[in-house]
Amino acid sequence: KQEVTQIPAALSVPEGENLVLNCSFTDSAIYNLQWFRQDPGKGLTSLLLIQSSQREQTSGRLNASLDKSSGRSTLYIAASQPGDSATYLCAVSNNDMRFGAGTRLTVKP
Amino acid sequence: DAGVTQSPTHLIKTRGQHVTLRCSPISGHKSVSWYQQVLGQGPQFIFQYYEKEERGRGNFPDRFSARQFPNYSSELNVNALLLGDSALYLCASSLNSLSQETQYFGPGTRLLVL
Repeated sequence: KQEVTQIPAALSVPEGENLVLNCSFTDSAIYNLQWFRQDPGKGLTSLLLIQSSQREQTSGRLNASLDKSSGRSTLYIAASQPGDSATYLCAVSNNDMRFGAGTRLTVKP
Repeated sequence: DAGVTQSPTHLIKTRGQHVTLRCSPISGHKSVSWYQQVLGQGPQFIFQYYEKEERGRGNFPDRFSARQFPNYSSELNVNALLLGDSALYLCASSLNSLSQETQYFGPGTRLLVL
């Protein structure tokens, strides 16, 4: 059974800092991995999708990497801003989509 | 273009009642999936429908059912509500199959069972 773990559970950084969020999964037989952002009480916004054949994807200040063999992905956020404060979720897809519990990020002005 | 829409936004029910949640996918999307997100946890997969047929089911009891209509909108039904069914219910749509494409999520329906 696929299990997805995100570390740390919560993270607080000062504005401007670069940061890395981690995601690990137990079954490497995945089709893709997706990173989402969720604001309190809201739905999920897709940030980046990495297909199983890819190693990384970039969008603006965000860069996500995927190492399928080791069951790991990282989300790198450059020059963090207070508006980046949210919960970040990773999800892996095989026959269904399995989510981690998320990392709650706070960026302090 | 409108994104994924869900109704209602909030709902309060009592134990034993049933509830129907509705989802309209992005125009042109044929796949709809439902997720339950309990506070402090990641979403859990409930169902996927593609072209009006059930394509996947998560580990949820038979009290949970869903269907997809010819216009690709979908309903999630939950019978005999329990306190533990209180959660944010998310709907997501994609163009085709779940496994290969970006999922676009709606704002969710927050269900409170008293």
